[in-house]
Amino acid sequence: AQSVTQLDSQVPVFEEAPVELRCNYSSSVSVYLFWYVQYPNQGLQLLLKYLSGSTLVKGINGFEAEFNKSQTSFHLRKPSVHISDTAEYFCAVSDFNTDKLIFGTGTRLQVFP
Amino acid sequence: DVKVTQSSRYLVKRTGEKVFLECVQDMDHENMFWYRQDPGLGLRLIYFSYDVKMKEKGDIPEGYSVSREKKERFSLILESASTNQTSMYLCASITSSETGELFFGEGSRLTVL
Repeated sequence: AQSVTQLDSQVPVFEEAPVELRCNYSSSVSVYLFWYVQYPNQGLQLLLKYLSGSTLVKGINGFEAEFNKSQTSFHLRKPSVHISDTAEYFCAVSDFNTDKLIFGTGTRLQVFP
Repeated sequence: DVKVTQSSRYLVKRTGEKVFLECVQDMDHENMFWYRQDPGLGLRLIYFSYDVKMKEKGDIPEGYSVSREKKERFSLILESASTNQTSMYLCASITSSETGELFFGEGSRLTVL
């Protein structure tokens, strides 16, 4: 069975500072990895995904994530955040045989001016 | 523009009532999902469906059932609502040929008194 751990429930940061949201997963098989974002009062939307190939994945809104197989991590980064990045971020995993996504518990990113 | 529409954004029901949450997608997607979202628990899969009249249990199906009579519509049913079913419910869909990019509705916030 797969699982996802998001180590930080909340991350406060000032505008224009860099940010890293951490995600670790466990799985006995090869996986696909995803980051979703949920803005206030909205559903989730895909930020980026890793399926195969380059371990550095670039997504929308200047975010990127790096797949590290040895550390079973898929941390999300942005070099300079904006107020509009304030949202909840979810890491998710699925295996090669299913469309079922297993989500982490989420990290609330709050950007202060 | 792709769209997943959940019929009710906010509902208030009494314990023991039967509750229907409706979800419609206009993208001709084969696969549809119902998740519930709770603070600190992330998203948990209740039920999913890979085709019309097909359904499979997710991780927390107890107290819920689903119906998929048409490809575009996936309904979540609470036969007898209880207070511990107070939550945000999110519907999502994906085409069977796409990996991981779930499209989400805006959510239905259910309060059971």
